[in-house]
This record gives sequence, structure tokens and C-alpha cells, in this order.
Amino acid sequence: GQQVMQIPQYQHVQEGEDFTTYCNSSTTLSNIQWYKQRPGGHPVFLIQLVKSGEVKKQKRLTFQFGEAKKNSSLHITATQTTDVGTYFCAGGNAGNMLTFGGGTRLMVKP
Amino acid sequence: DAGITQSPRHKVTETGTPVTLRCHQTENHRYMYWYRQDPGHGLRLIHYSYGVKDTDKGEVSDGYSVSRSKTEDFLLTLESATSSQTSVYFCGATSGGQYNEQFFGPGTRLTVL
Repeated sequence: GQQVMQIPQYQHVQEGEDFTTYCNSSTTLSNIQWYKQRPGGHPVFLIQLVKSGEVKKQKRLTFQFGEAKKNSSLHITATQTTDVGTYFCAGGNAGNMLTFGGGTRLMVKP
Repeated sequence: DAGITQSPRHKVTETGTPVTLRCHQTENHRYMYWYRQDPGHGLRLIHYSYGVKDTDKGEVSDGYSVSRSKTEDFLLTLESATSSQTSVYFCGATSGGQYNEQFFGPGTRLTVL
């Protein structure tokens, strides 16, 4: 079945440093979504990418979808303590389901 | 958030006992999902529903069953709980399948002793 791998599993950064998490799928994806989960909370939708090579920005967050629609990345510029949490990518397939990556836990040191 | 509640929020049970978790949504979402979250594994799909009485298996369905008799309720049952089913369970819901954002409930922390 479809597998979605996400790296790194953990990332410690100093406040103000940049952060990137990468997502790779074993199969071509129809779409990819990104979610953020704060400690003790539930996943919250951030964004969806559908087109090959698509790039979207949300303030300090930049999301990319690879040309082959098998990989994606989330880049945060100048991290803040409010960015703390676990970031998940989730790949869509034809079965109305999402396959989630293992997540990257971001820790920000003030 | 987005009208999804889960009950109970916490449960401790013993091996071999049946357990039912409930997900309730008020937004008339067509699709509902049950996931389990374990360290290093992200969210893994257990079962999902694409309408009343329409359900299908996910990636880790062994030992679990589901039922959806009403649009707003999706039940997850562990017929005979095992320690390997200790986890945090999240319910998700969406109106449009994989192209629409999923909304999640607050989660249920289940401990099987």
C-alpha cells in the first residue's frame, strides 16, 4: 500500500532559525495536505497542494509539491516559539483517504 | 473544533474487555475516519465511513470494528482489548473526501492494562 515517509522525526532549533520538514511518498499522490498538532492537541489543517510543482505561502510558511507529485516540503522562516508542535504531511489517494506521514516534531528554544 | 466531539476522553481498561469509543459531529460531514496515533507512526487509519452504514477497512483494522447508523455518529469498537491497542484515538471528518480538509476531534487516550 501507499507509504508516506517524513523526515526528520525531531528538530530542535533556536528561535529565529529556519526549519524544513520533508515528505516522500512511495506512489504518486493526487494531492497533499499539511497539518499541525500542538502538544496535547489534535491535528489542524494548514494547507493543501494539488498541482505538480505547486508552491504556496502562508506568512513565514512555504509549502512545495514536487514535480512528480511524490514529495513535498514545509519550510518555516525565522521560527518562533508559537511554531512548536508536530507537523504532518498527508497524501491523498483515489479512495477518499489520506495517508499520514510519521510527523516532524519541532521544538524551538527561545 | 468544527463540531467534533469524542467520548470518553480518557479510558483505562483491562485486557480482554470490550471497549467502544464514540465520535459525534454536528456538521453533516459525509466521510468519517478513525485513526490511532502512536509515537513515530503519525496517524494510522483504522476504519473509515463514506456514508450511513457504509464503512471500509483502513491500514490497521485488525481487532477493531466500526458502525455508523447515523450521519453524526461513528463508533469504534475493540471487541477484546489488548495492550497493543493502548494509544490515542482520533476521529476525523470531512465533507469531500481526500480533497477537503479533515477536521479532528480532541482524541481519546485509551490505556489497556
